[in-house]
Amino acid sequence: KAGVTQTPRYLIKTRGQQVTLSCSPISGHRSVSWYQQTPGQGLQFLFEYFSETQRNKGNFPGRFSGRQFSNSRSEMNVSTLELGDSALYLCASSLEGGFYGYTFGSGTRLTVV
Amino acid sequence: GQSLEQPSEVTAVEGAIVQINCTYQTSGFYGLSWYQQHDGGAPTFLSYNALDGLEETGRFSSFLSRSDSYGYLLLQELQMKDSASYFCAVTGGAGNMLTFGGGTRLMVKP
Repeated sequence: KAGVTQTPRYLIKTRGQQVTLSCSPISGHRSVSWYQQTPGQGLQFLFEYFSETQRNKGNFPGRFSGRQFSNSRSEMNVSTLELGDSALYLCASSLEGGFYGYTFGSGTRLTVV
Repeated sequence: GQSLEQPSEVTAVEGAIVQINCTYQTSGFYGLSWYQQHDGGAPTFLSYNALDGLEETGRFSSFLSRSDSYGYLLLQELQMKDSASYFCAVTGGAGNMLTFGGGTRLMVKP
């Protein structure tokens, strides 16, 4: 079966702009989580959606937001980009949210210049 | 909140056995997972322990002691392709969120 698909793979944006990243989970998976990965901070949890509802949120400013659609596809949006937002953004899906393992997408590499 | 501690780097030789430890503090605990990530790649799920004891999957085993808030990943018959970062992660807290440790970079030498 198809894995977790994230688009785009690479993105370059200018400070102050906004960006929207997309994630299509494995068919049947209702839980989608987003993580930011940087060399210094590791994997930082952004938020989790389950059946279109945000179930958890990490310690990120309000510039980071997300949503999940009825087909479980998810998007995350970052507004007013800062240089420090440069990172690999990973999406992960699971059946019930972590109990039996998450499947990660290949990520979107965002560079803010 | 939740926090996890694991060594930042481990080096071992091909064919050897290596153990990567993970200690955690969490408000609410459901299980401990392990993920492998090669440079430039996505994390891939290795194992999940919800109960105390050892889980074996081929060359990899994972152990959990809930009373000690401790677990480890054991890699046997190391191969060069095992060179990667390994993350422990706790499922717990509000809404069963998954929190990752900082990762252990394993270097396998010939």
